[in-house]
Amino acid sequence: EIVLTQSPGTLSLSPGERATLFCRASQSVSSGYLAWYQQKPGQAPRLLMYGASSRATGIPDRFSGSGSGTDFTLTISRLEPEDFAVYYCQHYGGSRTFGQGTKVEIK
Amino acid sequence: EVQLLESGGGLVQPGGSLRLSCAASRFTFSNYAMSWVRQAPGKGLEWVSAITDSGGDTYSADSVKGRFTISRDNSENTLFLQMNSLRAEDTAVYYCAKGSATSRPYYFDSWGQGTLVTVSS
Repeated sequence: EIVLTQSPGTLSLSPGERATLFCRASQSVSSGYLAWYQQKPGQAPRLLMYGASSRATGIPDRFSGSGSGTDFTLTISRLEPEDFAVYYCQHYGGSRTFGQGTKVEIK
Repeated sequence: EVQLLESGGGLVQPGGSLRLSCAASRFTFSNYAMSWVRQAPGKGLEWVSAITDSGGDTYSADSVKGRFTISRDNSENTLFLQMNSLRAEDTAVYYCAKGSATSRPYYFDSWGQGTLVTVSS
């Protein structure tokens, strides 16, 4: 089973700043089967990215994903107030495991 | 827009059973794999169980294998999770999630709002 480790655990930034979130897999993720989800307090998760770098429907282009093999990145180019949330990566090619999450909080 | 509405959560004693339902609408339910994902209070996401579009194949996490059973009724556009031998560590919000395809590999492109299951005496 692939284990996903996200870093940092918490990211404290101000609106307008750039956020960079990391997701490292214990083994190579085949064909880039890596997704990112956003979850706000009291809400269900929402799909942001799939295939490591494809934006889901309706996701603004300030969100971008990259990476391959074992190292993946989610970047938010300029943080908007609604972007402060918890972000999870997920490997969906096999065991469907999630990372433990990165909280992006207002500094 | 896809709609997924979970129901059936509540308070149950350790060792008890509960059946969750997820009513799906605004998409062709029988064309997509479905899953249950849970989130313990203050914790991260944990995939629980998955089922292919036809219901012919099911998969479960080791933590629930032998205790939880996923099923679906494509004629009623409904997904189920039968939970038996419940433990305190099963306490969580349970989300119904729509797969992006009929079978693996697929990501979760729509989620319900969740139903809370509390296992406590």
